[in-house]
Amino acid sequence: AQSVTQLDSHVSVSEGTPVLLRCNYSSSYSPSLFWYVQHPNKGLQLLLKYTSAATLVKGINGFEAEFKKSETSFHLTKPSAHMSDAAEYFCVLNGRQGGKLIFGQGTELSVKP
Amino acid sequence: GAVVSQHPSRVICKSGTSVKIECRSLDFQATTMFWYRQFPKQSLMLMATSNEGSKATYEQGVEKDKFLINHASLTLSTLTVTSAHPEDSSFYICSARRADYSPLHFGNGTRLTVT
Repeated sequence: AQSVTQLDSHVSVSEGTPVLLRCNYSSSYSPSLFWYVQHPNKGLQLLLKYTSAATLVKGINGFEAEFKKSETSFHLTKPSAHMSDAAEYFCVLNGRQGGKLIFGQGTELSVKP
Repeated sequence: GAVVSQHPSRVICKSGTSVKIECRSLDFQATTMFWYRQFPKQSLMLMATSNEGSKATYEQGVEKDKFLINHASLTLSTLTVTSAHPEDSSFYICSARRADYSPLHFGNGTRLTVT
């Protein structure tokens, strides 16, 4: 069975402080994993992707994520939050060729001034 | 980067009418496109997978006669909500990808309101 669990439905940080959005996955296959961001009433924008190359993946806007097979995790981090980072974030799993993408439930990130 | 254009971004229609939403991949050919529905504060729910030149594959519980999908070319898929009712009001998002394991590229979504 394949699944994605985003451990926090809502995360609130202050501007300039680090961001950590947690994602755990379950897959019988070698997974591809993605993080997407969604601003209100918009589609999803790809932040970064892991496809079995380097385990530390750098994305856009200063975000990065580390694939840890032993922990079945793919947490998203950013050293310093910006107000414009406030949005909904989705962790997404592609577990096998031709398979459907599995979406996490999303984490809403709030950034306080 | 890959761009997916979705149109219209917002539509209001009367109950009983039909609404067509277009999804275009602007700079790549997409053999497969996906249609999602998103309720407020929730994740995306896959409605159907649209394959160029063949019938769409619908997820369990999605009425294929209500949500008509046509994938006429490698760059265009359409979703028609037929005989719309207020409960069909939602945010609909399309996506496309070049190949398996490639990231999905999403349209900006369509906010449908049925009055």
